[in-house]
Amino acid sequence: DTGVSQNPRHKITKRGQNVTFRCDPISEHNRLYWYRQTLGQGPEFLTYFQNEAQLEKSRLLSDRFSAERPKGSFSTLEIQRTEQGDSAMYLCASSFSKAGPYTGELFFGEGSRLTVL
Amino acid sequence: AQKVTQAQTEISVVEKEDVTLDCVYETRDTTYYLFWYKQPPSGELVFLIRRNSFDEQNEISGRYSWNFQKSTSSFNFTITASQVVDSAVYFCALSVYTDKLIFGTGTRLQVFP
Repeated sequence: DTGVSQNPRHKITKRGQNVTFRCDPISEHNRLYWYRQTLGQGPEFLTYFQNEAQLEKSRLLSDRFSAERPKGSFSTLEIQRTEQGDSAMYLCASSFSKAGPYTGELFFGEGSRLTVL
Repeated sequence: AQKVTQAQTEISVVEKEDVTLDCVYETRDTTYYLFWYKQPPSGELVFLIRRNSFDEQNEISGRYSWNFQKSTSSFNFTITASQVVDSAVYFCALSVYTDKLIFGTGTRLQVFP
C-alpha cells in the first residue's frame, strides 16, 4: 500500500513523558502536514513542510512540540513533557505542489492517537 | 478571520432516505476553496470534493451532490438514497489560498438499515 503511514497508531503515556510520532507520506509527495484532532472536533492545523523546510507553524504548536522532516521524506512530531491536554489524534497528510499554496486534495493517514494519563 | 460552522452535530436516517449536511463559512477573502472530507471509523480523512470561490456551479457525483451559494456563504452536501456505508463523520473545510485547511466541527451521520 502506498498511502500515508503513521506510527504508532496508539500511544498511552504518563504526564511528563516525551512521545514521538512518525509519518511516512506518499513517496512522490513533497508537502507534509500535521493536524491535531480532539474528540468531537475537526482537525486543527499544526504545521507543514515543503521538502525539508518547515514553512508554517500554528500558534497551537507550543514550545513543547517540535516537528522535523530531515531529508524531505518522513516526518516526526515530538511532544515533550506531555500534558493531559495533549491527548488527541495526531493526523498526518501529504500532497504534491511545485510552487505556491496548495489547495487541492490532501491524503491523510489514519492518525496516531495519544492518551496522556 | 476564517471560520466554518457545521451546526448539525449528529444526524440519523434510515437507509434510502436523502440527507443534507449543512456548512456555513466565513471569510473576507475573495479567493478561497471549500472542501468536504469523510472520516470513517478507521480515522482516515477521505477527500470528497473541492470548490473554488469563482465556481458556483452545483456538482453531482453519483449519489452525492453539492450546493454552493455565495450569497448565503453555504456549501451544503446532499446524499441521495443513503446507505449504511455512508455512516461516518463529514467535515466541511475552508482554505483561503494557503496550505492550511480550516475545518468545521463535523457532522456525524448514522444510517440505519
